[in-house]
Amino acid sequence: QQPVQSPQAVILREGEDAVINCSSSKALYSVHWYRQKHGEAPVFLMILLKGGEQKGHEKISASFNEKKQQSSLYLTASQLSYSGTYFCGPDLDSNSGYALNFGKGTSLLVTP
Amino acid sequence: DTGVSQNPRHKITKRGQNVTFRCDPISEHNRLYWYRQTLGQGPEFLTYFQNEAQLEKSRLLSDRFSAERPKGSFSTLEIQRTEQGDSAMYLCASSSQQGRAFFGQGTRLTVV
Repeated sequence: QQPVQSPQAVILREGEDAVINCSSSKALYSVHWYRQKHGEAPVFLMILLKGGEQKGHEKISASFNEKKQQSSLYLTASQLSYSGTYFCGPDLDSNSGYALNFGKGTSLLVTP
Repeated sequence: DTGVSQNPRHKITKRGQNVTFRCDPISEHNRLYWYRQTLGQGPEFLTYFQNEAQLEKSRLLSDRFSAERPKGSFSTLEIQRTEQGDSAMYLCASSSQQGRAFFGQGTRLTVV
């Protein structure tokens, strides 16, 4: 039930763009995205509900394709503060006991 | 809103001893999650409560690990007969129904 994230790691120069993908083998109700910096707890970025809705947070946006059971996180004009590990966590069903089961994460390093 | 509180923040124990961690979620949140995280890995799902009901748990919780949330408020995670492989950060998170998860700062366990 753990989602699969790709790529595992990305190195960017400040100002470059990146895409992080998350896919599930099961039907999704929603997808959560979190970022974790070294030594800190994960911090919420956004939730996407089924319906193909795209959300944004500053220059970070995400899409959710429920038919393909995939979500993608888009980081535009990356900043040094974007460095960290990004996790997706899908919810399979609003009425089930299914909980946030995170992927292994994508490590992002933004360099000057 | 005082956030999710975890105690203790650090715990060093000898192999074979039992340890118990506490998590106090955000008061109005009915969902509570426990995760384990080791260096370089994503949060590994352990168990999930909706109010006082434990709705899902990983196979890890079938043996030496047990969790409770007796009144639907705070939760405890107990590890019996600790092993060196149990050394990790134990994270607790809470959320409202289908809402964003708020993480505590974690309890770092070291088994010597």
